[in-house]
Amino acid sequence: GAGVSQTPSNKVTEKGKYVELRCDPISGHTALYWYRQSLGQGPEFLIYFQGTGAADDSGLPNDRFFAVRPEGSVSTLKIQRTERGDSAVYLCASSRGGGASTDTQYFGPGTRLTVL
Amino acid sequence: EDKVVQSPLSLVVHEGDTVTLNCSYEVTNFRSLLWYKQEKKAPTFLFMLTSSGIEKKSGRLSSILDKKELSSILNITATQTGDSAIYLCAVANSNSGYALNFGKGTSLLVTP
Repeated sequence: GAGVSQTPSNKVTEKGKYVELRCDPISGHTALYWYRQSLGQGPEFLIYFQGTGAADDSGLPNDRFFAVRPEGSVSTLKIQRTERGDSAVYLCASSRGGGASTDTQYFGPGTRLTVL
Repeated sequence: EDKVVQSPLSLVVHEGDTVTLNCSYEVTNFRSLLWYKQEKKAPTFLFMLTSSGIEKKSGRLSSILDKKELSSILNITATQTGDSAIYLCAVANSNSGYALNFGKGTSLLVTP
């Protein structure tokens, strides 16, 4: 399959620890997005990359959250000093990019993060 | 602040029934409205509706955008147990780049 992939599928960590979540977008997609979904809620936007640069990081909740995409393909979401409130499913999506109004985001299976 | 509201929040129907899911929105500069189906974790894309494409159909699923009423409906006819999922509505705003603003979703359960 050539869909968006995310690893790990599940991550359990202790409060205060550092975690990294990885996203591998659809081949050829220049745009990549991170969302966070809490139980009973819709996905909430975190950050958007166009190529290697973060074009919009307005959804990052605080400076403990950081994301990179150094070569314009794989992206890593990094969370420092995790808190119990960070527990959620972290979803990654990718799209062709280019600015067309019909640009569609395709989602990966997500990483379920549990902070104990 | 942009807002997307879905109703009902949950719904239980019998196999073979027809269902209509609702999505209403308030956005400053509407760009597009999307419907996704979420089973387990990954939302899968169903439809995108824009000013130039206000009605879409695929098999038993169809969707209409009403730009005057700022709303959309998703219809599923002859429901099957495999239609059981959370249906998410999301809106893109031209001012906010490419971030999607999602509603809370409608949880649909189709019983045999």
